[in-house]
Amino acid sequence: DSGVTQTPKHLITATGQRVTLRCSPRSGDLSVYWYQQSLDQGLQFLIQYYNGEERAKGNILERFSAQQFPDLHSELNLSSLELGDSALYFCASSPTTGLYTGELFFGEGSRLTVL
Amino acid sequence: SQQGEEDPQALSIQEGENATMNCSYKTSINNLQWYRQNSGRGLVHLILIRSNEREKHSGRLRVTLDTSKKSSSLLITASRAADTASYFCATDRIQGAQKLVFGQGTRLTINP
Repeated sequence: DSGVTQTPKHLITATGQRVTLRCSPRSGDLSVYWYQQSLDQGLQFLIQYYNGEERAKGNILERFSAQQFPDLHSELNLSSLELGDSALYFCASSPTTGLYTGELFFGEGSRLTVL
Repeated sequence: SQQGEEDPQALSIQEGENATMNCSYKTSINNLQWYRQNSGRGLVHLILIRSNEREKHSGRLRVTLDTSKKSSSLLITASRAADTASYFCATDRIQGAQKLVFGQGTRLTINP
């Protein structure tokens, strides 16, 4: 058990809909990362938050947004869903606060299926 | 875009044999990390090697790093059926945003 909790584990929805994925980081970790894993694209970095502020942004679509709340949990919002958004979405947390990225602790992921 | 590229994409060996996976990357890094993923599960950190280190050991794992060639290798000795998983290298780049960039992974199958 990594200590990172993601909900829901599975989600099935239709095209055009909006979903919210939730992540609770390990106790004490200030950094939260979101990754998308699909068969054709591999593991893609989406966005990182550190203590409530956006720290880094990757290939995140404009239809996607995220935030980190004062209690450090994070939510990833996916809207106007398309079939291609079907993937595993991972949240990871890290205690690293410096200039380098250390070990990431991953949750078990949220599997999104868009029909 | 992917920073690391693993080689081979898939590897199948007999239990007890050693497994070697390679990773190449493109830009200067702070560190390189290896992760393991069982099918459909979350990634688990295995080992981190800093840019000023050349070799690191952890149990049956041995990682090497050659910054001049921008490559790393992960050796698993005396493989077990439970080692069956996908293995990913991830790089923490010096320039650019603070994040880990993952390769496409090597799918390792250990046959009993």
